[in-house]
Amino acid sequence: DSGVTQTPKHLITATGQRVTLRCSPRSGDLSVYWYQQSLDQGLQFLIQYYNGEERAKGNILERFSAQQFPDLHSELNLSSLELGDSALYFCASSAAGSREGYEQYFGPGTRLTVT
Amino acid sequence: KNQVEQSPQSLIILEGKNCTLQCNYTVSPFSNLRWYKQDTGRGPVSLTIMTFSENTKSNGRYTATLDADTKQSSLHITASQLSDSASYICVVSAPQAGTALIFGKGTTLSVSS
Repeated sequence: DSGVTQTPKHLITATGQRVTLRCSPRSGDLSVYWYQQSLDQGLQFLIQYYNGEERAKGNILERFSAQQFPDLHSELNLSSLELGDSALYFCASSAAGSREGYEQYFGPGTRLTVT
Repeated sequence: KNQVEQSPQSLIILEGKNCTLQCNYTVSPFSNLRWYKQDTGRGPVSLTIMTFSENTKSNGRYTATLDADTKQSSLHITASQLSDSASYICVVSAPQAGTALIFGKGTTLSVSS
């Protein structure tokens, strides 16, 4: 158990809908990262927050947004969902703001299925 | 073309045997290279992190090597166990690339008895 929790575990929704994925980092970790893993793709970095502020952006679509709250939990909002958004979404946390050299601990993931 | 290429795509070995997984990358410069183990349907777990100046790092039966000149890394698994069956992912950290963590697609290892 990494100490990172994600809810829900599974989510099934229809195209055009909006969903929110939730992540609680390990105790004491200030950075939260979001990743997408599709069947035919490797893990893709989406976005990073550090202590409530956006720190880095990766391949995140404009339909997606995230935020990190004062209690350090984070939410990833996916809107106008398309079939291609079906994937595993992972959250990871680390102690530092820099992505270099510091261990990232991954949560169990949320499996999103868009029908 | 992927900046981090892994081979083989999949591998089947007998329990107790050794194996070596390969990772070639084109990302340059980079700050560190990581190997993760991902069980099916679960989050990746870190095995090793190496900076560009390190040549080898071990974690139990897992040994990672890095040749920054040829931009190659390998993960050697000794005396494989059934629980080693998983996907092994090579990840290069390159802050200058913008996305910072660039993931390979992984090698799927199956260990059979």
